[in-house]
Amino acid sequence: GENVEQHPSTLSVQEGDSAVIKCTYSDSASNYFPWYKQELGKRPQLIIDIRSNVGEKKDQRIAVTLNKTAKHFSLHITETQPEDSAVYFCAASSSGGGNKLTFGTGTQLKVEL
Amino acid sequence: GAVVSQHPSWVICKSGTSVKIECRSLDFQATTMFWYRQFPKQSLMLMATSNEGSKATYEQGVEKDKFLINHASLTLSTLTVTSAHPEDSSFYICSAPQSSDEQFFGPGTRLTVL
Repeated sequence: GENVEQHPSTLSVQEGDSAVIKCTYSDSASNYFPWYKQELGKRPQLIIDIRSNVGEKKDQRIAVTLNKTAKHFSLHITETQPEDSAVYFCAASSSGGGNKLTFGTGTQLKVEL
Repeated sequence: GAVVSQHPSWVICKSGTSVKIECRSLDFQATTMFWYRQFPKQSLMLMATSNEGSKATYEQGVEKDKFLINHASLTLSTLTVTSAHPEDSSFYICSAPQSSDEQFFGPGTRLTVL
């Protein structure tokens, strides 16, 4: 089955700096890669996703890059703000695998003033 | 976006009792729903895939006789934790895809077994 690894497990940045979170996956059939932000006790919130036919996607301060050859994808947050502090999860799924998501282990992001 | 609800949002029960959690797709039909479990400070782990009108598919290591799943309609899937024990205390979250690969998550159910 799919295995998704995520690094770092914790990340502390100063407000205004950039934050980068990296994930690798094992199943070459995976073709959908979402990123979620989860606040304590809440459901995961989709912040951006990318599909395997695209190498990069950007939405305001958030961007995701995908390297299919190396099987890794990354989340980039620029101009970080205190409200960006949360746990972030990457995930992967394949349409051939029934679209079930395999999650990374999570990154606790703390944006300090 | 599509809306998925869960009920109850939290439940406390005694060890040995059973607890039922409902997951509903409010504005779309879902032939497939997914059930995840999340322990404190850990990631979401897929427990099973709920299939409308047929048996659920369980992930390796998940006891199907302990975690009963029923998906009797296109908008409702239920997860019953039977003979719950303290180690079953967790955050249970369901999700459903609307039309493509994007998943819509329910708000989660916090289960505490005393």
